[in-house]
Amino acid sequence: AQSVTQLDSQVPVFEEAPVELRCNYSSSVSVYLFWYVQYPNQGLQLLLKYLSGSTLVESINGFEAEFNKSQTSFHLRKPSVHISDTAEYFCAVIHPGGADGLTFGKGTHLIIQP
Amino acid sequence: GAGVSQSPRYKVAKRGQDVALRCDPISGHVSLFWYQQALGQGPEFLTYFQNEAQLDKSGLPSDRFFAERPEGSVSTLKIQRTQQEDSAVYLCASSTTTEETQYFGPGTRLLVL
Repeated sequence: AQSVTQLDSQVPVFEEAPVELRCNYSSSVSVYLFWYVQYPNQGLQLLLKYLSGSTLVESINGFEAEFNKSQTSFHLRKPSVHISDTAEYFCAVIHPGGADGLTFGKGTHLIIQP
Repeated sequence: GAGVSQSPRYKVAKRGQDVALRCDPISGHVSLFWYQQALGQGPEFLTYFQNEAQLDKSGLPSDRFFAERPEGSVSTLKIQRTQQEDSAVYLCASSTTTEETQYFGPGTRLLVL
């Protein structure tokens, strides 16, 4: 079984400031890692994912996350946030074969302050 | 269709009523997942289908919950004798394989009074 911990339930940040949303996971087997975003009144959308290869993955809207196996982390970062980044962000893992679905963290609400 | 669709979007049920929630996955997606998202929490896995076969139902919280996907496309999640603790958003997701990106529907918000 695996688990995902998102320690910060809310992160307030000023517009154009950098942000880091933390994600740690626990698993006895290798996992694939995902960040999903949920904008207000919308469904979950994939932001980025790590399956293999380069440990640094990027999204089209400026977010990046780095897989750190030794620290079992997959923190999400953006160097300069915009008001439109206000959303709920979920970190999730799935193990290869994945028939038991994604395991999600509780989510982090990113609040952008003007 | 362009994405995963779910119906109804909102459902209010009286305690004890049966409800049926529908999911239309992306055409051609073999894998289909159901999740339950309580208020302020992340989604939690309920069950998984590969085509019409239900390969994992370990997340279903009780025997009042039942899911089917008889022709390997549309899926229905049925909750019998609803209880207040069943109030949540029920999410459906589909993917080409279990490891690939899961595409989520907008969810059905169920409120049991």
